[in-house]
Amino acid sequence: DVKVTQSSRYLVKRTGEKVFLECVQDMDHENMFWYRQDPGLGLRLIYFSYDVKMKEKGDIPEGYSVSREKKERFSLILESASTNQTSMYLCATKDGTGDYEQYFGPGTRLTVT
Amino acid sequence: GENVEQHPSTLSVQEGDSAVIKCTYSDSASNYFPWYKQELGKGPQLIIDIRSNVGEKKDQRIAVTLNKTAKHFSLHITETQPEDSAVYFCAASSGKLIFGQGTELSVKP
Repeated sequence: DVKVTQSSRYLVKRTGEKVFLECVQDMDHENMFWYRQDPGLGLRLIYFSYDVKMKEKGDIPEGYSVSREKKERFSLILESASTNQTSMYLCATKDGTGDYEQYFGPGTRLTVT
Repeated sequence: GENVEQHPSTLSVQEGDSAVIKCTYSDSASNYFPWYKQELGKGPQLIIDIRSNVGEKKDQRIAVTLNKTAKHFSLHITETQPEDSAVYFCAASSGKLIFGQGTELSVKP
């Protein structure tokens, strides 16, 4: 059974703070993704990684960066948090290339004040 | 760019009724169409998917239909139960997964 865990369920940060969101998976999947979920906008891809130290921009990468130093861990970094980054952040993993099921973590609800 | 439109945004049905959620996509190269269910406090979970070489797929009370000519696909849930209450997302992929806006389904006992 695939397990995707995210470091926090709820997080409150101040404008300008550096924020780290961590995602860990236990199924040896090559691909990992970060999405943000906003009402009426669905899930939008921020960044993804198909291998250790590899990363690709998604549809809304501005204001974010990522790090993948180990296969099981994918971090999302907000260099200087802003109020418009208040959102639900979801991590997902996928095995192999091609179109297959993505496995999601429970999400981190980030509030930036 | 690629786009997936999903309707309705909210749907309320009585237990035992059917529910239908519809999606349209813009990228004619899309060939994979999954549906995800997100229960309160959880991440989305795949419930059914269909590929472009198939027009319909069923799994117990849920079914998905695909019309490639019209570029739309639908999720059908029959004999709805309160535990079907959740947010449902459609998605389309031609190598990159694009999600719809989501439908909040409420099944009233």
